[in-house]
Amino acid sequence: QSVLTQPPSASGTPGQRVTISCSGSSSNIRRNAVNWYQQLPGTTPKLLIYDDNKRPSGVPDRFSGAKYGTSASLAISGLQSEDEGDYYCAAWDDSSNGHWVFGGGTKLTVL
Amino acid sequence: EVQLVQSGAEVKKPGEPLRISCEASGYSFISYWINWVRQKPGKGLEWMGRIDPNESYIKYSPSFEGHVTISVDKSTSAAYLQWSSLQASDTAIYYCARRVGSHRNWYFDLWGRGTLVTVSS
Repeated sequence: QSVLTQPPSASGTPGQRVTISCSGSSSNIRRNAVNWYQQLPGTTPKLLIYDDNKRPSGVPDRFSGAKYGTSASLAISGLQSEDEGDYYCAAWDDSSNGHWVFGGGTKLTVL
Repeated sequence: EVQLVQSGAEVKKPGEPLRISCEASGYSFISYWINWVRQKPGKGLEWMGRIDPNESYIKYSPSFEGHVTISVDKSTSAAYLQWSSLQASDTAIYYCARRVGSHRNWYFDLWGRGTLVTVSS
């Protein structure tokens, strides 16, 4: 059972907009930045969004992040086949002397 | 090139010890904390712990404390994750990741390619 809750799956057709949610609590998402990682099949996790809504250099602006209280979301617009993979949210949690927590991951399928 | 290079895949038997490594290059190793993340087959990411390479201050996830040891060698810019006695349930890919950012805005910007550890009798 992950501390951050994500839907196990999401899907969309090419060109569509898809949103993935991440639900946490006051000890993690409310107090600390949310990050999103993309893990394409057979590859290493890659930073996609940091500090709630910032994109690292090289990440297309089709990817965007938002945070509202104890929840966050990742939106992917103009869905492409190469976006198919797993997406994880993460945040620092202040409880138990502090530790990182991840969502369980959302498997995105491009139909 | 800025990178974290991890040691190769390992196949071990239950009860055997193991140490895997994560070698940093292209940046100041002591300036950024190194984290370890586990990913069991077909499962999600789990944070195991982290080390400050400069002060060797270590913090473990409660889920892993007592079962693994994290260490660092500043002279070789390497971080290590070790087990004294592996269990079949330790079969997983282990990633090291660099933490950057600022207070309450931390994130992992650089990841190693992972070390697959297989524990089987």
